[in-house]
Amino acid sequence: KAGVTQTPRYLIKTRGQQVTLSCSPISGHRSVSWYQQTPGQGLQFLFEYFSETQRNKGNFPGRFSGRQFSNSRSEMNVSTLELGDSALYLCASSLGQAAGANVLTFGAGSRLTVL
Amino acid sequence: DAKTTQPNSMESNEEEPVHLPCNHSTISGTDYIHWYRQLPSQGPEYVIHGLTSNVNNRMASLAIAEDRKSSTLILHRATLRDAAVYYCIRSDSWGKFQFGAGTQVVVTP
Repeated sequence: KAGVTQTPRYLIKTRGQQVTLSCSPISGHRSVSWYQQTPGQGLQFLFEYFSETQRNKGNFPGRFSGRQFSNSRSEMNVSTLELGDSALYLCASSLGQAAGANVLTFGAGSRLTVL
Repeated sequence: DAKTTQPNSMESNEEEPVHLPCNHSTISGTDYIHWYRQLPSQGPEYVIHGLTSNVNNRMASLAIAEDRKSSTLILHRATLRDAAVYYCIRSDSWGKFQFGAGTQVVVTP
């Protein structure tokens, strides 16, 4: 079966711009979560959506937002980009109904560079 | 938010076992322990997870201390394809993952 698909894979933006990243989960998975990966901070949880509702949120400013559609596809948006937003953004999907026992399947990520 | 603590790197010879320790001394009773690994230019990949008792699957074994304050991932026979960054993760009752810094595993032929 198809894995988790993230688009675009690479993108370059300038400070002050905004960006939208897309994630298509594995068919049947209702939970989508997003992570930011940087060399300095490692992997940090951004937020999680389940059945179109945000269920969990990490410690990121309001410039970071997301949404989930009825087909479970998800988008995340970062507004007013800063240099420090340069990172690999990873999306993961799961069935979402087993709480701490949920097994995540990650996409390959979207690499954002902010100039 | 207390994260997990892992050694920065570990080296192993091919076909030897690898024991990767993880400290999670502030874990709560409902937190699961997960292990994922990440190869270069890829997203993390699931390895194993558990709550209280030891777990085995085709990839690895997970040994959880009786007090649950630490755990060890065991790769029984390391291969060159096992070279990756291994993450020890706490997953709370909401399914929120707290990643550690990861251990870089180097496998030498």
